[in-house]
Amino acid sequence: DAGVIQSPRHEVTEMGQEVTLRCKPISGHDYLFWYRQTMMRGLELLIYFNNNVPIDDSGMPEDRFSAKMPNASFSTLKIQPSEPRDSAVYFCASSGLAGGSSYEQYFGPGTRLTVT
Amino acid sequence: KQEVTQIPAALSVPEGENLVLNCSFTDSAIYNLQWFRQDPGKGLTSLLLIQSSQREQTSGRLNASLDKSSGRSTLYIAASQPGDSATYLCAVDRRNTPLVFGKGTRLSVIA
Repeated sequence: DAGVIQSPRHEVTEMGQEVTLRCKPISGHDYLFWYRQTMMRGLELLIYFNNNVPIDDSGMPEDRFSAKMPNASFSTLKIQPSEPRDSAVYFCASSGLAGGSSYEQYFGPGTRLTVT
Repeated sequence: KQEVTQIPAALSVPEGENLVLNCSFTDSAIYNLQWFRQDPGKGLTSLLLIQSSQREQTSGRLNASLDKSSGRSTLYIAASQPGDSATYLCAVDRRNTPLVFGKGTRLSVIA
């Protein structure tokens, strides 16, 4: 398997624009997590899904953020409108029994978002 | 609410030294503890995963131990090399729940 795939790897956009981040989890994994990393707060959960259903979105900062998982192989994180304080690295991770009994989370390479 | 603390926040050592990074967590009801490495501007590389039923894991020069009852883990790096310079992150979860991360220890190994 190619691992968790994220796109784009880098995104630079202007304040007010819509940003869409994409994630393809490892095949067979039934959990998908979106995390955000900033210098100030470190790595924090935004939202996670089980079998395509959102389980906990309490980490989503505000209504400008939304996430979907239309099928088992694809998820999006959308920010509309974007603000400079959204600049961060966004990581997607997946886990499941397909990874063995450990339910280890496997991380994608991240998307570095810069909002000017 | 689970909290993970890593001490020290930064560490600088001469090449060849053995070193220990510390991680503590407030809620001992964990399923997995993972150690990650992150190079500047890069993603996360998983180093070791310890399940709650295990006490340690080893990979090459790295050894991670877990004392669940006291809420502690250590990452031991033997014979450190300049290539080990990076930030090391500790994270814990309950089964099928999000990882809770520490802020990391920034390691510099000086040649």
